[in-house]
Amino acid sequence: EVQLLESGGGLVQSGGSLIISCAASGFTFRSYAMSWVRQVPGGGLEWVSGISDNGDATYYTDSVKGRFTISRDNSKSTLSLQMNSLRAEDTAVYYCAKERIFGGFDPWGQGTLITVSS
Amino acid sequence: EVVMTQSPATLSVSPGERATLSCRASQNVDTKVAWYQHKPGQAPRLLIYGASTRPAGVPVRFTGSGSGTEFTLTISRLQSEDFASYYCQQYNNWPPYTFGQGTKLEIK
Repeated sequence: EVQLLESGGGLVQSGGSLIISCAASGFTFRSYAMSWVRQVPGGGLEWVSGISDNGDATYYTDSVKGRFTISRDNSKSTLSLQMNSLRAEDTAVYYCAKERIFGGFDPWGQGTLITVSS
Repeated sequence: EVVMTQSPATLSVSPGERATLSCRASQNVDTKVAWYQHKPGQAPRLLIYGASTRPAGVPVRFTGSGSGTEFTLTISRLQSEDFASYYCQQYNNWPPYTFGQGTKLEIK
């Protein structure tokens, strides 16, 4: 069974840092691009960052450029997101998702909640 | 950035009836559109990719259509488990991938 399990969420002060991770299983992790998508409380889905299958290419939405860093360890089937200079507006549930070759994200993890207190 | 606009924001439909959800792209995205179902506390679920293709395991009552800038998700014969939020997403022009703001499907 394909599974994604996020960890590392929690409460952090504004300006602080946090690393969240996603453990993948049930598929050949190194063959797929991966992304982080977030949902702010009461809001919709927002793509945050993506990384190519070999990790050579990384992408970010404008609001997190220079603050967030996505990375992956294909030997451990793990995706990570280093988040620095956190702001109240970064408060959200963060999901990791596998990018399908023919489009779309599937599956998604259950999400990890990050709360940034001001 | 491609803006995806969904309508309506909330849709009230009775079980057994049909629901029609709309999604408009601010520019041509070909058929590079996916639809997701999202329930509180759960992982989003892919329903449609390529505007009209259902992945294995998605019930046939979910139908996607459209191309270019106008897209529709139709759910025929609504069942209790279908009441959730639905999002469209484009993957033609990225980064960034962009989602619509969602349609909440409620029981009438």
